[in-house]
Amino acid sequence: EVQLVESGGGLVQPGGSLRLSCAASGFTFNTYWMHWVRQAPGKGLVWVSRLNGDGSSTSYADSVKGRFTISRDNAKNTLYLQMNSLRAEDTAVYYCARDTKYQPDYWGQGTLVTVSS
Amino acid sequence: QSALTQPRSVSGSPGQSVTISCTGTSSDVGGYNYVSWYQQYPGKAPKVMIYDVNKRPSGVPDRFSGSKSGNTASLTISGLQAEDEADYYCCSYAGSYTYVFGTGTKVTVL
Repeated sequence: EVQLVESGGGLVQPGGSLRLSCAASGFTFNTYWMHWVRQAPGKGLVWVSRLNGDGSSTSYADSVKGRFTISRDNAKNTLYLQMNSLRAEDTAVYYCARDTKYQPDYWGQGTLVTVSS
Repeated sequence: QSALTQPRSVSGSPGQSVTISCTGTSSDVGGYNYVSWYQQYPGKAPKVMIYDVNKRPSGVPDRFSGSKSGNTASLTISGLQAEDEADYYCCSYAGSYTYVFGTGTKVTVL
């Protein structure tokens, strides 16, 4: 059974940093691209970032480019999102999702990030 | 990276059919057959209902179907049931390893 479990969310001040983790199990992690997708309170889903299987190719939404970094540790079956220079508008539930053929399929339950002073 | 356009809400009585549209551009929906649809209940993670425009994952009822014409994709729910009341989002590959989601549609079962 595919499982994705996010962690690392919390309250952070504007300008601060946070690192999210996503522990994967139930599939061969290093053969799948992975995504981070976020959802602000009461709002829709927004794609944030994608990473290929060996970690060599990344892509980002314009809104986070230069501030967020996606990475993975295939030995630990874990995906990461390093978030720097956080803004109030980054407040959201952050989901990790597995990709199959250019489409997210399995999703984690999400972790809430709140940026506030 | 503008969001795909979906109607804010659609509604129908049990047993009826509803269709949700998802309008993009030739750079996303119209350019690729990588359109997927997700069902999301409040406070829960999204669940894929349709992928590759019109394919259903195992376990998804055949009441759910997808299609695409030009820059607009559609999700149809036939034989609407109370448990179908949820938010629905489309998603399209947009080239250069980027993706875009729709604005979301709330389905209400009357």
